[in-house]
Parts: sequence; C-alpha cells; structure tokens
Amino acid sequence: DAGVTQSPTHLIKTRGQQVTLRCSPISGHKSVSWYQQVLGQGPQFIFQYYEKEERGRGNFPDRFSARQFPNYSSELNVNALLLGDSALYLCASSLSDPQRGRKAFFGQGTRLTVV
Amino acid sequence: LAKTTQPISMDSYEGQEVNITCSHNNIATNDYITWYQQFPSQGPRFIIQGYKTKVTNEVASLFIPADRKSSTLSLPRVSLSDTAVYYCLVGDLPGDDKIIFGKGTRLHILP
Repeated sequence: DAGVTQSPTHLIKTRGQQVTLRCSPISGHKSVSWYQQVLGQGPQFIFQYYEKEERGRGNFPDRFSARQFPNYSSELNVNALLLGDSALYLCASSLSDPQRGRKAFFGQGTRLTVV
Repeated sequence: LAKTTQPISMDSYEGQEVNITCSHNNIATNDYITWYQQFPSQGPRFIIQGYKTKVTNEVASLFIPADRKSSTLSLPRVSLSDTAVYYCLVGDLPGDDKIIFGKGTRLHILP
C-alpha cells in the first residue's frame, strides 16, 4: 500500500508569490492534516480536514488556506509568501475512527524555500 | 490538550536500552499517549501508543504508571539508526486528529 504522498518534494519561490502543495492520503483515510516545521522546531498544526470539511485550524494567518477533494486528497495554498514561510510542510492522514486507532501517518514533506 | 514535558536531548551508546520519560500532569481521562520518531527532513513516524500500564510492539515499549501523569518510552538495544527526535503527545479528540507537537527529545546514539 502506498503511504501518504506529497508533491512537490522541493520548491523554491520568491517573496510575494503564491504556492500550492499537494497531498494524497493513504487509501481509506478520510482525515488530512497539514503541519509546518521550521528548522529545529516541532511540527506546527495548520489545518485539519475530514470528509471535505475543515475540522481545525491552527494559529496561522489568512494567507494560508486549504481544501480537501472528494477523493480525500488535499491542497495547501499559501499566498503572498514571506521569507519566514520557508519550512518543511507535512501532510498527515488518518482513519479518524476512535475504534480503529488514533494514529496519523505522515508524508515525507515538501521543502519550501522562499527567497 | 494536555501539555507535555520531555528532556531536550539525550545521549546513549549502541546496544544500550534507552528510556525517555515524558511528563503530562494534566492528562485527561480520555487521553491516549502517543510517541513519534522523526529523522531529519522526514515526516514523523508513529512508534507506539497506550492508555495505561504497559504496551509493547516490535519497536519499543511504553510504560504508563497508574496515575498516568507520566510515561516512559523504552527503546531496547539501540543502534546508530535510532538517532532521531522523539515526540511525546497526549490527547484524544474523536473526529479531530490535530496533533500538538512539543520540542521533542533529540536522541543521539554514539558508537
């Protein structure tokens, strides 16, 4: 079975530009979450989607947005990029079923560099 | 969500057993305890999860005392490849898989 896949793996953007990151969850997983990890820190929660509905939002500006598609894949969009947006962006999927486990599976991440 | 406290870093040697303790004094009745491992430039990987007493899998053991205010991740006979950051997480929000990561414990295994 394929794990969580993210694309692209690496990306370089200029300040002020917009970026779209993509995530395909594990087959059967309906919950997708996004995290930002800057160097030396733990991942910070950005968004969670379940069945195409936003279930949670972290403390990030409105420049960050996301959506989930009918096939449960997801996109994270960041507008008006700042240098501080440079980070590893992680996507995680889970069954979100308390009866079947409460663990999330992470992708390899997208390394975004803003110059 | 309960806050966790764990050592910032630890060193050990190959072949040793490593125990990483995590404090979570405000753990709620429905909360589970989960540990993740992360290598540089990779996503975190689930290691083990438990609610009370002891849980063991092929990778690690998790010891949880009766009061559940702390937990200990035990890695038997570590190797150099166990060098990573280990995160202790506490929470249980059915239908909401938001995970709040702390700073984690940087484990460095020496030859």
